Amino acid sequence: KAGVTQTPRYLIKTRGQQVTLSCSPISGHRSVSWYQQTPGQGLQFLFEYFSETQRNKGNFPGRFSGRQFSNSRSEMNVSTLELGDSALYLCASSGGRDFYGYTFGSGTRLTVV
Amino acid sequence: KQEVTQIPAALSVPEGENLVLNCSFTDSAIYNLQWFRQDPGKGLTSLLLIQSSQREQTSGRLNASLDKSSGRSTLYIAASQPGDSATYLCAVGDTGKLIFGQGTTLQVKP
Repeated sequence: KAGVTQTPRYLIKTRGQQVTLSCSPISGHRSVSWYQQTPGQGLQFLFEYFSETQRNKGNFPGRFSGRQFSNSRSEMNVSTLELGDSALYLCASSGGRDFYGYTFGSGTRLTVV
Repeated sequence: KQEVTQIPAALSVPEGENLVLNCSFTDSAIYNLQWFRQDPGKGLTSLLLIQSSQREQTSGRLNASLDKSSGRSTLYIAASQPGDSATYLCAVGDTGKLIFGQGTTLQVKP
């Protein structure tokens, strides 16, 4: 059973640019959530999508957005990048017939210069 | 607002020791609690999931307990090995999201 796949693994962007990250959940999982991990703030919840609808949102500015497609794959977008957006972005999937917790991908390391 | 705290922040032990990692949370109304392991620069690997109705879960050398009334969970690692060196994260399941502690970085010395 394939795990959660995040692409790309690494990104370097310039301030002011925008970026799109992708996450493919475990087959059969309908919930995809996104987290930002930084040394100072730790892991913080960004948002959760279920059946193409945003079900939950964390305390992040509107520059952070996401969407989910009918095949449950999800993308998150960050516009007008700031240096402080440099972080490891992690995606997690859950769902299926029973809840067995969250499964995380390997993450996308974003560096803003 | 739920807050999750992990103590200690770092721990160094000789190989073979049994050890306990602590996690506390402020709101007992949780859905579940999940322990993860993270190696440097990597994603999170799920270790154990405890549903809110359960008291403990075991997997190999790992045992996690949950006491909702006191807002505590512990992760017990038996006979530690150098390969156990990593950061261990506790996360409380809220409505559709996880709230994480800051983690305990464990070093097991050969």
